[in-house]
Amino acid sequence: EVQLVQSGGGSAKPGGSLRLSCAASGFTFNTAWMTWVRQAPGKGLEWVGRIKSKNDGGATHYAAPVRGRFTMSRDDSKNTVYLLMDSLRTEDTAVYYCAADGGYCTGSICYGGYFDYWGQGALVTVST
Amino acid sequence: DIVMTQSPDSLAVSLGGRATIHCKSNQSLLYSSNNKNFLAWYQQNPGQPPKLLIYWASTRESGVPDRFSGSGSGTDFSLTISSLQAEDVAVYYCQQYYSTPRSFGQGTKLEI
Repeated sequence: EVQLVQSGGGSAKPGGSLRLSCAASGFTFNTAWMTWVRQAPGKGLEWVGRIKSKNDGGATHYAAPVRGRFTMSRDDSKNTVYLLMDSLRTEDTAVYYCAADGGYCTGSICYGGYFDYWGQGALVTVST
Repeated sequence: DIVMTQSPDSLAVSLGGRATIHCKSNQSLLYSSNNKNFLAWYQQNPGQPPKLLIYWASTRESGVPDRFSGSGSGTDFSLTISSLQAEDVAVYYCQQYYSTPRSFGQGTKLEI
């Protein structure tokens, strides 16, 4: 059974930092791309960023609102992906979800993937 | 960046009735090299993570009831629920995975 179990989150003041973790099981993590999606209270889904598998180069890509402040990383030995959030702003308040991204590269071409498995979500609240 | 626009924002359908949600992208999601549309549909219930319903615009995820179907190509897509059940009340999102940054529609709230 595929599982994505999230931890971390909580409260921070503006300018502060938090780290989210997402531990995967039930699939071959080291070949999987992983994605973070967030949802502000009462709002829709917003893509945050993606990290490719090391086999596909391990590159990260971030949405404009978080670029330069958020950092995704992965530890394939622990089947875990991380989201380090620095310089937090009140508008970063949201439930953050990790998801398995079915993207892959073949030769020099990389294809995007749909998000077939999701974590349970972690609430991040940024306020004074 | 690709912008996804859903319509309507909310929809009320009778039990057993037919519900159709539309999704439009501002550029084609059809990849010529594999002839696939990089478009997915998700269902989200309150307090829950989204659940994948449809991928490649029309392929139903395993375990999803066959009353859910996806159609469309290029820039115009739709999700249809053929016979609405009470458990289908949720918010539905389309999402493109053609290019980065990935993007979602704003969501459609489906009610009885």
